[in-house]
Amino acid sequence: GAVVSQHPSWVICKSGTSVKIECRSLDFQATTMFWYRQFPKQSLMLMATSNEGSKATYEQGVEKDKFLINHASLTLSTLTVTSAHPEDSSFYICSARDPRGRVGYTFGSGTRLTVV
Amino acid sequence: AQSVTQPDIHITVSEGASLELRCNYSYGATPYLFWYVQSPGQGLQLLLKYFSGDTLVQGIKGFEAEFKRSQSSFNLRKPSVHWSDAAEYFCAVGPDSTGGGNKLTFGTGTQLKVEL
Repeated sequence: GAVVSQHPSWVICKSGTSVKIECRSLDFQATTMFWYRQFPKQSLMLMATSNEGSKATYEQGVEKDKFLINHASLTLSTLTVTSAHPEDSSFYICSARDPRGRVGYTFGSGTRLTVV
Repeated sequence: AQSVTQPDIHITVSEGASLELRCNYSYGATPYLFWYVQSPGQGLQLLLKYFSGDTLVQGIKGFEAEFKRSQSSFNLRKPSVHWSDAAEYFCAVGPDSTGGGNKLTFGTGTQLKVEL
C-alpha cells in the first residue's frame, strides 16, 4: 500500500515552453502532497506543499508564478513549470503523506526535466 | 527549527562488512524519523521509520536503526553489506507543521560505495 505514481519519468522540452508533471496517490487519499527539486549529488529541496482544494504553500525563494501547483483532487497534484529555461533543468520528486499513518511519507519515482 | 545532520558525505565499505550511517537531528518534541534510500535517477524508497515505542527499528533489506533521544541520533546499521546496497541514503525528521504542511526535513545524504 501507499503507492505514489509520478509521470512522466523524464521529459525534454524547448526553452520557453511549459511542462506539466503529475503526481498521483494510487491507493490512498492524500490531502497533502509535497514537491521537491534535487540537483545532482545534492539533497532534496522542498519547493512547495500542495493542499487539496486550496493554494499551495511555497518555500522561500521559490517562484510561485513559475512553478504552478494544482491539487484539485485527493489523489492528484500537478506541478507545471512555466516558460521553462535551461536553469530549470533538474530532478523533480513528489511525495504524499499517508493520513492513515502507516507509512508516513511516500515518494514518487521522480521526473528528470531537461530544457534545451 | 528542525534540522538533520548527516556528517558523512561519502562512505566506502567492503562487501560483507558492517555498516553504520550517522544521523543527528534537532527537533522540539518527539520526532518522527525516517531513513530513505535513493538509487541514481530514482525516487526515494523508505527503509524504515520511527514514530514511537521500541527504539530499535527494523526495516527492509536487513537494515535497522536505533533512536537515541539522549544523543539526538538515529543511526542506520546493517551487519553485512551487499554490493546492491550502493546508493544514496537520506535521513529525515518531521513533521514540521509550520505552514500547515507537516513537511519533512532532510539531511544532505550519505553516498555509500561498496567495494567487491
